[in-house]
Amino acid sequence: DAGVTQSPTHLIKTRGQQVTLRCSPKSGHDTVSWYQQALGQGPQFIFQYYEEEERQRGNFPDRFSGHQFPNYSSELNVNALLLGDSALYLCASSFRQGAGSNQPQHFGDGTRLSIL
Amino acid sequence: SQELEQSPQSLIVQEGKNLTINCTSSKTLYGLYWYKQKYGEGLIFLMMLQKGGEEKSHEKITAKLDEKKQQSSLHITASQPSHAGIYLCGADMGNTDKLIFGTGTRLQVFP
Repeated sequence: DAGVTQSPTHLIKTRGQQVTLRCSPKSGHDTVSWYQQALGQGPQFIFQYYEEEERQRGNFPDRFSGHQFPNYSSELNVNALLLGDSALYLCASSFRQGAGSNQPQHFGDGTRLSIL
Repeated sequence: SQELEQSPQSLIVQEGKNLTINCTSSKTLYGLYWYKQKYGEGLIFLMMLQKGGEEKSHEKITAKLDEKKQQSSLHITASQPSHAGIYLCGADMGNTDKLIFGTGTRLQVFP
């Protein structure tokens, strides 16, 4: 039973470029959440996708966008990259049983994004 | 200030010693989750607590959620080098499935 998988594992970009990160949820999960984790900090919620729609969003600019596909996999896109976007980007999946269902989120190993 | 405060920020213990990590919220918690993270890697789910007074154990790790559902503790008994890592508490504060995380507690266990 495959867990949450993310690709690529590492990525180096320059300021102003655009990047796409990918996530496949754990088998049986239908909800995907994205988090940004800066060095030495806890993960910060970016947004959550369910039924191919963005359901919730954290305090991130609209340079951060996403998509969920019919097979529940998801992409995170970041435009006009800034140095401050350097972080570990984590994808988490869960099975939604209604809002506030409190099902544990399972995380992938993340994509380490470095901006030069 | 952080919505979710963890203490201590770091902990260095000798193998075999017991230790406790605390997680405190200024708001009522609808769900409290404990995760472990190895440096630069993903988060490994440990335990979920929802009810006030709830306590769960897995191997040598026990987590509790207080009656008022605003504080949780994670206790490790007879620590081992394999327990080393960063422990993160995550909370659902609005019954929305959106997790807020503390800044983590870095645990080192030396022989």
